[in-house]
Amino acid sequence: SAVISQKPSRDICQRGTSLTIQCQVDSQVTMMFWYRQQPGQSLTLIATANQGSEATYESGFVIDKFPISRPNLTFSTLTVSNMSPEDSSIYLCSVSGGALAGTGELFFGEGSRLTVL
Amino acid sequence: GQNIDQPTEMTATEGAIVQINCTYQTSGFNGLFWYQQHAGEAPTFLSYNVLDGLEEKGRFSSFLSRSKGYSYLLLKELQMKDSASYLCAVSLFSGSARQLTFGSGTQLTVLP
Repeated sequence: SAVISQKPSRDICQRGTSLTIQCQVDSQVTMMFWYRQQPGQSLTLIATANQGSEATYESGFVIDKFPISRPNLTFSTLTVSNMSPEDSSIYLCSVSGGALAGTGELFFGEGSRLTVL
Repeated sequence: GQNIDQPTEMTATEGAIVQINCTYQTSGFNGLFWYQQHAGEAPTFLSYNVLDGLEEKGRFSSFLSRSKGYSYLLLKELQMKDSASYLCAVSLFSGSARQLTFGSGTQLTVLP
């Protein structure tokens, strides 16, 4: 399995500000994904964080709002920009591939719970 | 678009058996996953089916029929700790990277 650490675990933010969430994995992984889970909802994929290239965003998510970095095979950041109350969610980092290839699993971090006032 | 359907809520009694169904209509298919998520926690992996049939893992079993676009998760000998949300997810693409599309989740409540 993989150990995935996310920071912060929770935060309360003011409207219009930006917050960067960090994701650190204890092993090199091919792919890292960022999901959002709004209150009472299931998980929605925001983007795939690609090492050495720009992230690939899903429909409805754009780079200006959710810039992503992936400087190496064990670390990624997601920034939620110009936040509004609608951005109040749990943001989850997940990983697959690399040393985990063939396990059939997607591993999740503990999540970062953001509340925007 | 992708469509993954599962019941919103289910209730069962401790010691009983419960079956959570999932139907899917997706543009691709490279496996179906079941995850368990307790309130306030990250999802944890339960099972993975890529071929038709039943996969058994202790008290948990998962079934897949690709021709019908249908899966179920079977939980036996229910325990109170099994109260959680159960997420059905489909992997659309091949390869080692498991980018998943999730259903809305089924909130299971186990009663004493």
